[in-house]
This record gives sequence, C-alpha cells and structure tokens, in this order.
Amino acid sequence: GEDVEQSLFLSVREGDSSVINCTYTDSSSTYLYWYKQEPGAGLQLLTYIFSNMDMKQDQRLTVLLNKKDKHLSLRIADTQTGDSAIYFCATAGNTGKLIFGQGTTLQVKP
Amino acid sequence: GAGVSQTPSNKVTEKGKYVELRCDPISGHTALYWYRQSLGQGPEFLIYFQGTGAADDSGLPNDRFFAVRPEGSVSTLKIQRTERGDSAVYLCASSQTGSTEAFFGQGTRLTVV
Repeated sequence: GEDVEQSLFLSVREGDSSVINCTYTDSSSTYLYWYKQEPGAGLQLLTYIFSNMDMKQDQRLTVLLNKKDKHLSLRIADTQTGDSAIYFCATAGNTGKLIFGQGTTLQVKP
Repeated sequence: GAGVSQTPSNKVTEKGKYVELRCDPISGHTALYWYRQSLGQGPEFLIYFQGTGAADDSGLPNDRFFAVRPEGSVSTLKIQRTERGDSAVYLCASSQTGSTEAFFGQGTRLTVV
C-alpha cells in the first residue's frame, strides 16, 4: 500500500537552516504537502507542491521534489525557536485523501 | 463557522461503551475527512465523504467504526464496543471539492479506560 517515511528527529541551532526529508511510494500522488503540528494544536498546512513541479519557495520555506526518487524535502531558512514542532509530510491523489508520514520532531536550540 | 469544529474536545469512556464524535465542517465544504492520530504517529485516514455519501471508507479499521453525514454538512463518527486500542486523537478535515487545501479541526482526544 501507500507509504510515507520520515526521519523522526532533527536538532538545529537558531539561525541555521533545517532540512526535513521524506520519501513516499505512491507514484500517482498528485500533491505533496508539509504540515506543522505544535503541542496541543491542530495541523497547520505550511506549503504544498504539485507533482509536476521540482521546487517551490515561500518566504523561509523551500520545498524540493525529486519525483524519480520519490523524495520530498522541506528547507526552513533562518530557523527560529518558534519553528520547534512536529512536521508531517503527506501525499494526496485527486480525492484529497492524505497519506501522512510519522512526523519529524524539529528541535531548535537557542 | 470560521473553522472546522469538533466536539467534544476530550472524551473518556469505559471499555465496551459506545461513543459518538462530531465534526462541523466549514460551511460550504463538500468534502469531509476523518483521520485517527495515535500517540507519536502521523494521522491515518479513516473515511472520506463527498456530500452525503462515503466515497472512500477503506481506512475504517473494523465494523465497530461507522460514520455518517446525512445532510452533507455535519458528520458523526460512531465507535461501538470501544477498546483501549481505540484511544487516539480523532481529526476531522474539510475542503472544497477540487481544492488543494484541507482544513483540520483541533481533534477529539478519545481515551478508553
């Protein structure tokens, strides 16, 4: 079945760049998403990329997609302590049904 | 409403009891999704409604789980004979058909004791 894999934990210093990686198996995925979840809070959509794109930049966020390798990454420039959260990669087909990874906990040290 | 509303926010129930979880989507959103998030995991898809009908219920774990959306807006997830393994946060999301973005509610934390 469809599967999305992420590394579980990433620790960076404030001001550094963070790169969170994700791999997926479903080659028919139309959209690929990054969500942020803070403790006790709901899921917040950060950004998404359509499957026919290679890159998308949105302020401090850069998403890279390697469709051949089924690899997605999220780069956060100038990481701040407020960026500490769990980041989920997710894929979706045309119905909008999301398949999530297990989440990467980002720890930002001052 | 302004966002997706889920009630209750917390529910504690005894093993074997029946529970209902409610989701009030954003007004006008035709697509509605239920997910379940266990501790330390990503959300797992349960069921997807397009209007009143369940378009995809492949994620429901067994026949103790059932969901309805009789008028195409509010949805109720029903769990019979609850088990301790059902303890999780149940998330609801809604979107406009064809939209790339689904909006999530805050979830209902279900604890089965």
